[in-house]
Formats: sequence, structure tokens, C-alpha cells
Amino acid sequence: QQQVKQSPQSLIVQKGGISIINCAYENTAFDYFPWYQQFPGKGPALLIAIRPDVSEKKEGRFTISFNKSAKQFSLHIMDSQPGDSATYFCAATSTRAGSYQLTFGKGTKLSVIP
Amino acid sequence: GAGVSQSPSNKVTEKGKDVELRCDPISGHTALYWYRQSLGQGLEFLIYFQGNSAPDKSGLPSDRFSAERTGGSVSTLTIQRTQQEDSAVYLCASSTPWGRETQYFGPGTRLLVL
Repeated sequence: QQQVKQSPQSLIVQKGGISIINCAYENTAFDYFPWYQQFPGKGPALLIAIRPDVSEKKEGRFTISFNKSAKQFSLHIMDSQPGDSATYFCAATSTRAGSYQLTFGKGTKLSVIP
Repeated sequence: GAGVSQSPSNKVTEKGKDVELRCDPISGHTALYWYRQSLGQGLEFLIYFQGNSAPDKSGLPSDRFSAERTGGSVSTLTIQRTQQEDSAVYLCASSTPWGRETQYFGPGTRLLVL
């Protein structure tokens, strides 16, 4: 059972445009939602994260929007740059108990063309 | 400071052989995770260590997989009698005990089983 569904699988955006990646989760125990950025041959790097007590979090050109009732969250990359070309993973975990293991979406390969 | 390091970076082995993968977490990070990244399955949790507590092994796919952590620092993931479906990137992550949701990943070990 896939607990975090991510779309689209791939995305092509022109330089300067907005990249939008969406995720939906099923487990209502999840209370922490990070996004990771991964370049080829590298490990995932934490980009930005949100908790369900806020509906939006912005860090520079990156914004997470969170809809608790719909159990959905999304990543917006404003003014997308070629250097943003990477694979992006949404993830979720419960911080109430246990190991805090991350459940990941299957990833979105973003290509930003000049 | 130094990030999470993993060795070897690449490993090619023959079906049926045993392999050992090593992870050095960030200094002071008592929580350590192993994940597997494969083309079909995305990123999957394998095992979690926290200090001297019993590990959470709930993600290990079979009894051919095992892991240990010596002295609360370095961890070794062992795969016995490797199968072709074990081919994947094995990622290690670490975090502080009070911020286990914020996990920092190493570059991974790319395992190819022929």
C-alpha cells in the first residue's frame, strides 16, 4: 500500500517559470512533511519541511502548501532555474512515537530548460 | 562538519555472495537509518538504530538482511546470499535524538548483483 502518492513523475519547466509538485497521503498519524532534492549520484538533501499546524511555509524560492483536510501538500518552486533540475521527493512521518521513519513518494524528475 | 559517509560507493557482486555496506553517521547523531532506493520501489525504510535501544527492523525485506551498529556510531548493513533483486542504492541517514524527523543522508552505496 503506497502511503504517499506523488505526481507528476516528470516535469519540464522553462527557466523563470513555476514548478509545482503534488503529494497526497493516507495515514492521518503523519505530522511532519519534508521535501528532499536529489541530484544524480548523490543522496537526498533536505530542502524544506512543514508541520500540519500551518498551511504554508516559504523559504526563498521554495514554498510548501499544506491542506490537512484533503491530506495533500505541494511544493512550489518559483523562478525555476536550470540548477533546480533534479529529482524531488516528498515524504511523511509521525513524530508521536516510534522510529520517525520516512515514507517517501516515488519522486518527480524536474528539468528546467533555459 | 563532515556529513554522513558511506563505503564503498559502488559494489558489484555475484549472485549468492554476501556483501557488507558501511555507514559513518554525523558526529553526535545517535539516530541512524538505512533506506533502499530502487527503480521500481522508490525509497524504502529498512532499519533504525537509536542509541543503545533495540533497533526497529520492521523494514527489512527478508532474513538475508541484517544490520548492526557498534559503539553507537558506525553501522554495517549485511546482505547474505545476494539476489539480483537486491540491486539498488543503499542509503544511510542520521539525525540528532531530539530531531529525528530531520534526517541527513549519505551519498549511498550502489549495489549491483550479477
